[in-house]
Amino acid sequence: EVQLVESGGGLVKPGGSLKLSCAASGFTFSSYAMSWVRQTPEKRLEWVATISSGGSYTYYPDSVKGRFTISRDNAKNTLYLQMSSLRSEDTAMYYCARHSLLPTGFAYWGQGTLVTVSA
Amino acid sequence: EILLTQSPAIIAASPGEKVTITCSASSSVSYMNWYQQKPGSSPKIWIYGISNLASGVPARFSGSGSGTSFSFTINSMEAEDVATYYCQQRSSYPPIFTFGSGTKLEIK
Repeated sequence: EVQLVESGGGLVKPGGSLKLSCAASGFTFSSYAMSWVRQTPEKRLEWVATISSGGSYTYYPDSVKGRFTISRDNAKNTLYLQMSSLRSEDTAMYYCARHSLLPTGFAYWGQGTLVTVSA
Repeated sequence: EILLTQSPAIIAASPGEKVTITCSASSSVSYMNWYQQKPGSSPKIWIYGISNLASGVPARFSGSGSGTSFSFTINSMEAEDVATYYCQQRSSYPPIFTFGSGTKLEIK
């Protein structure tokens, strides 16, 4: 059974930093591209970052480029999201998601970890 | 960036009624996926590649469309279908994923 368990969320002040983790199990982690997707308080879903299976390629939307960094440790079956220069509009539930072998969508999602950016 | 316009935002259907949700893309897309999200839970892939049902999805659900116009249909509404449904597409390269704004489905 595919399991994705996020951790690391919390309350942070504007301009601060936070690192999220996602522990994966139930599949060969190193074979799949992975992503982070967030859901705003208004329930809007926003793609945040994607990393290739081997970790060589990363992709971001303009809204987080230069502020967020996605990475992975295939030996530890763990995905990360380093977030810096956080803004109030980054407040959201952050989900770790696994792609299918053809990475056009998000085949499995974790339960999410909440990030709140507020003074 | 391709924008997805989903409608309606909210729809209420009676048990047994047919439900259709539409997703319009600002430019032609090749892949369209749909997700179901119930309150307090994570989204789940429901339909992928325009018309393929994810594992365990009942046959009363279907997806169709091409180019810029896509639809999601429930043939016969059931109480367990109450949820919010989102469409999603991926641009070719660089990969950019976008979601529709969601359709909240309620039961009458």
